[in-house]
Amino acid sequence: AQRVTQPEKLLSVFKGAPVELKCNYSYSGSPELFWYVQYSRQRLQLLLRHISRESIKGFTADLNKGETSFHLKKPFAQEEDSAMYYCALKGSYIPTFGRGTSLIVHP
Amino acid sequence: DAGVIQSPRHEVTEMGQEVTLRCKPISGHNSLFWYRQTMMRGLELLIYFNNNVPIDDSGMPEDRFSAKMPNASFSTLKIQPSEPRDSAVYFCASSFPGYNEQFFGPGTRLTVL
Repeated sequence: AQRVTQPEKLLSVFKGAPVELKCNYSYSGSPELFWYVQYSRQRLQLLLRHISRESIKGFTADLNKGETSFHLKKPFAQEEDSAMYYCALKGSYIPTFGRGTSLIVHP
Repeated sequence: DAGVIQSPRHEVTEMGQEVTLRCKPISGHNSLFWYRQTMMRGLELLIYFNNNVPIDDSGMPEDRFSAKMPNASFSTLKIQPSEPRDSAVYFCASSFPGYNEQFFGPGTRLTVL
């Protein structure tokens, strides 16, 4: 079975502070991992995927197979980063999403 | 392309009524997913279609829920009869087969009174 755990429902930081949204997964094979973002009352959209190893809007995420984690990080949070963030795993043929972490960045 | 299209965007109905949500995937995508989003449970996969065929419906909560995909450009999710606990935002998403990114629709916000 595949599972994605996002331990924090809410993360609140001040502008300019570092941010780390945690994601841990459980999957017996080689997973494909993603972060999706949902801004207020908008549709979910892909933020980044581990295979591309890119930085989007200042966010990065590294797959750590030893710790089975895929944490999302940004060194300096901005107010416009306030959103709901979902970690997702595509192991078999269907994706599994975590419950999401709501990030609030205060001015 | 306008992306994944869902209708209606908002639906308010009374308990016991039938509700039908509609989705038009992106042209060329042949994988389609229905999700339900609530504060308590986050994003839950309800059903997954591939080439118009339901592949996995294990997430459908109960017999009151049904989904169809009569052709590659249209899918429906029906709730009959609806209950207040069905109140949620329902998302449809589509993707290419084997292509990992899903493209989500704007969602339908359902309120059952």
